[in-house]
Amino acid sequence: NAGVTQTPKFQVLKTGQSMTLQCAQDMNHEYMSWYRQDPGMGLRLIHYSVGAGITDQGEVPNGYNVSRSTTEDFPLRLLSAAPSQTSVYFCASSPRGSNGYTFGSGTRLTVV
Amino acid sequence: AQKITQTQPGMFVQEKEAVTLDCTYDTSDPSYGLFWYKQPSSGEMIFLIYQGSYDQQNATEGRYSLNFQKARKSANLVISASQLGDSAMYFCAMREDTGGNEKLTFGTGTRLTIIP
Repeated sequence: NAGVTQTPKFQVLKTGQSMTLQCAQDMNHEYMSWYRQDPGMGLRLIHYSVGAGITDQGEVPNGYNVSRSTTEDFPLRLLSAAPSQTSVYFCASSPRGSNGYTFGSGTRLTVV
Repeated sequence: AQKITQTQPGMFVQEKEAVTLDCTYDTSDPSYGLFWYKQPSSGEMIFLIYQGSYDQQNATEGRYSLNFQKARKSANLVISASQLGDSAMYFCAMREDTGGNEKLTFGTGTRLTIIP
């Protein structure tokens, strides 16, 4: 039982490049979400999904796309990376209405 | 408006003392959940404790308890008998489920340092 797996752990991008951060869970959780963590700002919600085929925007969705074609996977796409997207990204999952969310280990992204 | 407010950016506490980390929240949903997470310097998010909005009693998990005051919209974390390993960032979070759309939002965190 791997829990929530995020790849890669570290990434350096040049401004304007695109990439996909991967998030996979093997717990059959309906709810999945992406956060970015910046110093002094806590974790801010980027996008979330309550099930396959359903996604919605969080607090800071600009510059990011998501899709949820399967229950297990919830990739986060940066279409044209900007230095402002330098951050640590966390993926989380849970059953609906859960009393605990499982987090991945994070992806540290640097855009130069 | 902030959904979750943590007003203590940093705290220093003597080892073995109890510590209270403050959290206030804002929601109009009657059904919501409140969480506390710990983030040590290694970076992982560790779930500590949960309180449901309809729970009559305050949640407890070992040395952690949640002081839930619904009318004041506060959900403070109390750590009893603090240990050096408690030094970390602590985040309060709230789950809202509006019209079938579930969202989990976080406060900005409190950095707790335990002094030997």
